[in-house]
Amino acid sequence: EAQVTQNPRYLITVTGKKLTVTCSQNMNHEYMSWYRQDPGLGLRQIYYSMNVEVTDKGDVPEGYKVSRKEKRNFPLILESPSPNQTSLYFCASRQAGEIAKNIQYFGAGTRLSVL
Amino acid sequence: TQLLEQSPQFLSIQEGENLTVYCNSSSVFSSLQWYRQEPGEGPVLLVTVVTGGEVKKLKRLTFQFGDARKDSSLHITAAQPGDTGLYLCAPHTSYDKVIFGPGTSLSVIP
Repeated sequence: EAQVTQNPRYLITVTGKKLTVTCSQNMNHEYMSWYRQDPGLGLRQIYYSMNVEVTDKGDVPEGYKVSRKEKRNFPLILESPSPNQTSLYFCASRQAGEIAKNIQYFGAGTRLSVL
Repeated sequence: TQLLEQSPQFLSIQEGENLTVYCNSSSVFSSLQWYRQEPGEGPVLLVTVVTGGEVKKLKRLTFQFGDARKDSSLHITAAQPGDTGLYLCAPHTSYDKVIFGPGTSLSVIP
């Protein structure tokens, strides 16, 4: 079954405590990305990766880091979380190429609260 | 920054009613997708439209891409509780770039 798996699903942390949200896909997709979803703002792209060792900033990258050491994994790192990073986070993956021709699959989401 | 609006923001209807939700922008898009997101889940792709004026049907759902490729609509006939969810408009601004609207939250009451 095609899957994008995120962990953890829920996370409560405190300001400044480093955390990592993991993402793994089993479809051998080249393209992976991270989004955050906030009420009234839709999904906004944080970072994306077009292949192993190739990452780039999305629309809201400040305060986040990513890595792509393996094709299947794309972790999101918050080195020093702040309350404005409280949000619902989604990892997604698809084949590279024209987005209109390739289905993007989303994980189930990680709800993060930073106190 | 492209302004992408979806209306209405919230919609609560009785089972069996018809409804239409809208996605509007002042920008022209190469293509556009609609997603549905259920509570506690990630968005799931419903349809992709690529030609101005294109109409696609998915069972009781009808999607239309505007002639000028700036807007789109989603019409649901005889809504059912299983249609409940957040409907996201996701136009493509380039070959490989998608943006997402804020969504229309639909609740269908049995």
